[in-house]
Amino acid sequence: QKEVEQDPGPLSVPEGAIVSLNCTYSNSAFQYFMWYRQYSRKGPELLMYTYSSGNKEDGRFTAQVDKSSKYISLFIRDSQPSDSATYLCAMSDWNNRLAFGKGNQVVVIP
Amino acid sequence: DTAVSQTPKYLVTQMGNDKSIKCEQNLGHDTMYWYKQDSKKFLKIMFSYNNKELIINETVPNRFSPKSPDKAHLNLHINSLELGDSAVYFCASSQAEQGDYGYTFGSGTRLTVV
Repeated sequence: QKEVEQDPGPLSVPEGAIVSLNCTYSNSAFQYFMWYRQYSRKGPELLMYTYSSGNKEDGRFTAQVDKSSKYISLFIRDSQPSDSATYLCAMSDWNNRLAFGKGNQVVVIP
Repeated sequence: DTAVSQTPKYLVTQMGNDKSIKCEQNLGHDTMYWYKQDSKKFLKIMFSYNNKELIINETVPNRFSPKSPDKAHLNLHINSLELGDSAVYFCASSQAEQGDYGYTFGSGTRLTVV
């Protein structure tokens, strides 16, 4: 079993819809949880960063972490065509070794 | 004013050749990384250096050799290139202190071995 599981299936949504992405993980040592956004032919950029279980909001983006279920989510409200990208979950332990999910390609259709 | 810069952006080369990719960061970060992203977009760590010292070396063929002349630079040298080495290679950097785990990535080097 991979450390981080993320269903890589592409996701197409109409503009204005809510995008919901999630990852599961198996390593209890993971303490820090991140979402990265990667546009085509660019490097990943940090979108959201959380440490504890619970919700964190930043504008239209909400990250959720449930450590008891080893499950993290990212929600994008009022999605825009500019949100079209690949979203990768990532998590690290105290040694700062980052493990990535496979990424979800999101397409927001105008 | 690029934070993490990699050169070259594109590299097309023949099997068996030796090539290098350079990476520089101007963020003052202590730790630098090389990641490989395959055609299915999966990012896998290859190496990590902290203050010029190797701290992570995943199961990577020894044809790949990282070199860190100082903490702002981490280069990747690849010997005897194979078709399976074709991928996008990303350099990244971060601060080692706990509580700041965000990585800053370069824009990638697209390597094609023919």
